[in-house]
Amino acid sequence: AQSVTQPDIHITVSEGASLELRCNYSYGATPYLFWYVQSPGQGLQLLLKYFSGDTLVQGIKGFEAEFKRSQSSFNLRKPSVHWSDAAEYFCAVGTGFQKLVFGTGTRLLVSP
Amino acid sequence: GAGVSQSPSNKVTEKGKDVELRCDPISGHTALYWYRQSLGQGLEFLIYFQGNSAPDKSGLPSDRFSAERTGGSVSTLTIQRTQQEDSAVYLCASSLKPGANNEQFFGPGTRLTVL
Repeated sequence: AQSVTQPDIHITVSEGASLELRCNYSYGATPYLFWYVQSPGQGLQLLLKYFSGDTLVQGIKGFEAEFKRSQSSFNLRKPSVHWSDAAEYFCAVGTGFQKLVFGTGTRLLVSP
Repeated sequence: GAGVSQSPSNKVTEKGKDVELRCDPISGHTALYWYRQSLGQGLEFLIYFQGNSAPDKSGLPSDRFSAERTGGSVSTLTIQRTQQEDSAVYLCASSLKPGANNEQFFGPGTRLTVL
C-alpha cells in the first residue's frame, strides 16, 4: 500500500531564510506526487505536482520540489520564506485511478 | 469561476444525533472526494465518486457513515448517531476527471464538533 511520511510536524523558519520540507513515500513504481498548502481556515491549494520528466518542478508562490527516486523523496523548497507562507503543508502520492494518499502535514511557522 | 463549496461551515451537534454535510463541486467535475481531517492528523480518505460508477467507499470508518451524490453533482455526507471521535473537519474535493493525475480542488471544509 502507498504511504507518505512527513517527518517534521512543526518547522520554524526566520523570514527571509530558506526552507525545505521533507516528504518520503512508499510505492513500487513512480507515483504522481503533489504538495498542497492549507492556510488557516482555508481549503487546500495545490502548490505543485510531479508526474514525469524533469525531476525539479516549479510551483506557485516561488516553491519548487525535487523528485529523487533513489531516496523515494519529494522535498519542497523555497529560497526565501515570507511571513505569508506560514501554513500547513501536505505531501500526497497517487497512481492511476487510485485515490491520493496524504501525509500528516508539516506546520510552518515564520518568525520575524 | 466558483470553486468547491461546502455547507455548513461549522456544525455543533450532540452525541447520538445525525448530521448531514453538503458539498457542491465545481461544475463539470466528474470526480468527487470526501476526506476527514482530525486534529493533528493528515487527510483521511473517506469516499470517492466517479460519474455513474459505484463509489469507492473503502475509507468510510464505520457503517454510521454514508454518502450519496445526486445527479452527478451535489454530494451529501451523512453521519448517523454521531460520536465524539467524529469531531473533525470534513473536506470535499472535486476534479475534472478521475485519476490521481488530475488536480483535486478542495472546498473550505465543514468543522464538525460533537459534544
